[in-house]
Amino acid sequence: KQEVTQIPAALSVPEGENLVLNCSFTDSAIYNLQWFRQDPGKGLTSLLLIQSSQREQTSGRLNASLDKSSGRSTLYIAASQPGDSATYLCAVRGYGQNFVFGPGTRLSVLP
Amino acid sequence: DTGVSQDPRHKITKRGQNVTFRCDPISEHNRLYWYRQTLGQGPEFLTYFQNEAQLEKSRLLSDRFSAERPKGSFSTLEIQRTEQGDSAMYLCASSLDLAEVYGYTFGSGTRLTVV
Repeated sequence: KQEVTQIPAALSVPEGENLVLNCSFTDSAIYNLQWFRQDPGKGLTSLLLIQSSQREQTSGRLNASLDKSSGRSTLYIAASQPGDSATYLCAVRGYGQNFVFGPGTRLSVLP
Repeated sequence: DTGVSQDPRHKITKRGQNVTFRCDPISEHNRLYWYRQTLGQGPEFLTYFQNEAQLEKSRLLSDRFSAERPKGSFSTLEIQRTEQGDSAMYLCASSLDLAEVYGYTFGSGTRLTVV
């Protein structure tokens, strides 16, 4: 059974810092991995999708990497801003049809 | 098309009542998923439709829960005889057939509070 963990559970940083969020998964047989952002009480917004054959994806200040063999992904946020404050969730899709989510990392960026 | 729509956004109900939620996926997406999220946790898979066929159900989907997707368009999730443990955010997502390429698009969710 696939299990997904995320470290740290919570993170508070001053504005402008670069930061890394970590995601680990136990079964490396995956189709893809997707990073989402969730604001309090809201739904999920897709940030980046990495196929199993890819090593990384970039969008603006965000960069996500995938090391399938070690069961790890990182989300790098450059020059953090208060508007980046949210919960960040990673989800992996195996050969079934559903994603398995991690518990998330709660990020606070202080002005 | 503005994305995945869910209705209502919030629902407060008394224990023992029945509730029904609706999800309208992106029009060209033939796959539809329901997830449940409790406070401080990641979403957990409930069920999945391809067109009108319900192809997979989680053990979380007890016999009080039923989901339908008539005609392969919108979907409804009904909870009968609600319990306080059903309080959660119910999220709907849709995808194209090549979900492994395109991933999911989520709606804003329906927050259920059972009092």
